[in-house]
Amino acid sequence: DVKVTQSSRYLVKRTGEKVFLECVQDMDHENMFWYRQDPGLGLRLIYFSYDVKMKEKGDIPEGYSVSREKKERFSLILESASTNQTSMYLCASSHRYEQFFGPGTRLTVL
Amino acid sequence: QQQVKQSPQSLIVQKGGISIINCAYENTAFDYFPWYQQFPGKGPALLIAIRPDVSEKKEGRFTISFNKSAKQFSLHIMDSQPGDSATYFCAASKGGGATNKLIFGTGTLLAVQP
Repeated sequence: DVKVTQSSRYLVKRTGEKVFLECVQDMDHENMFWYRQDPGLGLRLIYFSYDVKMKEKGDIPEGYSVSREKKERFSLILESASTNQTSMYLCASSHRYEQFFGPGTRLTVL
Repeated sequence: QQQVKQSPQSLIVQKGGISIINCAYENTAFDYFPWYQQFPGKGPALLIAIRPDVSEKKEGRFTISFNKSAKQFSLHIMDSQPGDSATYFCAASKGGGATNKLIFGTGTLLAVQP
């Protein structure tokens, strides 16, 4: 059974903190993605990676960075968290067409 | 820039009825059109997908209708059940090669009343 896991289901941070969201997949997929999900806005792509140490900006990369040191792990970093980054964060992986999603991390920035 | 427009934002259907969700796209280079289903507390999961070389694809009670000339596609859920209550996202991508970036619609919250 394919699996994408995210390090936390719920996270509460303070403005200005550095935040790490971790994602691990066990399917040996080349591609990994980070989205944020907000009501009425759907899923918006923040960053994606098509290989180890490779990354490309998505539609809303401002305020975020990513790291992919190993094929199975893709990290999203909020360098200095702000209240407008309060959201649901979803990680996904894919080989070709179908993307497999993790359960999400609900991040609240106070 | 919203490249995939989804409607309605929410939908209430009686048990046994037909649920219809519509999406429209702009980029004629798109060649893969999936629908994802998301239950509360879960990540989205692929429900059904279609390519533009066919006009319809059916899997059980779920059907995608595709109109290439109108640049529209829709999801039909026949005999809707309370267990179908979820958020549905349409999406589109082009190339399907190494990266397969998906452009998602804004989602439709479906409630099927018993």
